[in-house]
Amino acid sequence: AQKITQTQPGMFVQEKEAVTLDCTYDTSDQSYGLFWYKQPSSGEMIFLIYQGSYDEQNATEGRYSLNFQKARKSANLVISASQLGDSAMYFCAMRESSTGFQKLVFGTGTRLLVSP
Amino acid sequence: ETGVTQTPRHLVMGMTNKKSLKCEQHLGHNAMYWYKQSAKKPLELMFVYNFKEQTENNSVPSRFSPECPNSSHLFLHLHTLQPEDSALYLCASSQETSGSPDTDTQYFGPGTRLTVL
Repeated sequence: AQKITQTQPGMFVQEKEAVTLDCTYDTSDQSYGLFWYKQPSSGEMIFLIYQGSYDEQNATEGRYSLNFQKARKSANLVISASQLGDSAMYFCAMRESSTGFQKLVFGTGTRLLVSP
Repeated sequence: ETGVTQTPRHLVMGMTNKKSLKCEQHLGHNAMYWYKQSAKKPLELMFVYNFKEQTENNSVPSRFSPECPNSSHLFLHLHTLQPEDSALYLCASSQETSGSPDTDTQYFGPGTRLTVL
């Protein structure tokens, strides 16, 4: 069963607007971590933000924030004030403590297009 | 150079060729990873090295052979590949594999786009 689900294959947003990219996950671990990465057309996966399962506050990094709803097993990425340079693929990933090492499981990604 | 670098950026090879992908990290990390990214599929972890020792082989066919001579360099040796092996191969590194968020965030290179004819 897929552990990370990103249901939006593509999203469109106008410059300066906010956008939410959805991510739901499935795990039986009590301790886990959730990551968001950005992949521009150049190919590099750029780390954006991290949320630990025991973190009480939602993670924020500049214009990125993570809307973490543990009971619903969702970890949506919110990008405020979109910029043209935000156009890229966005991947949600999870690390489970039961794997014993840093094994990331990725979703299929959401392609974000920011228009002027 | 900073971060994680990968060479070559693009590679076209025949099924009988032997080639190698190179990854170098300049972050002082101890763990390195190879991932495969195929079209319309999630990123797949292939290999993990921690302090130069292989700690994970995710059922990867033997035509892919990794090598980690030191904590800064990682190679992926390729031989007798199949067309379905065409993909983007991404290298990543992290400080270690302890499970701590502060030390286990993975940082990726730009990838090698591989085409097997």
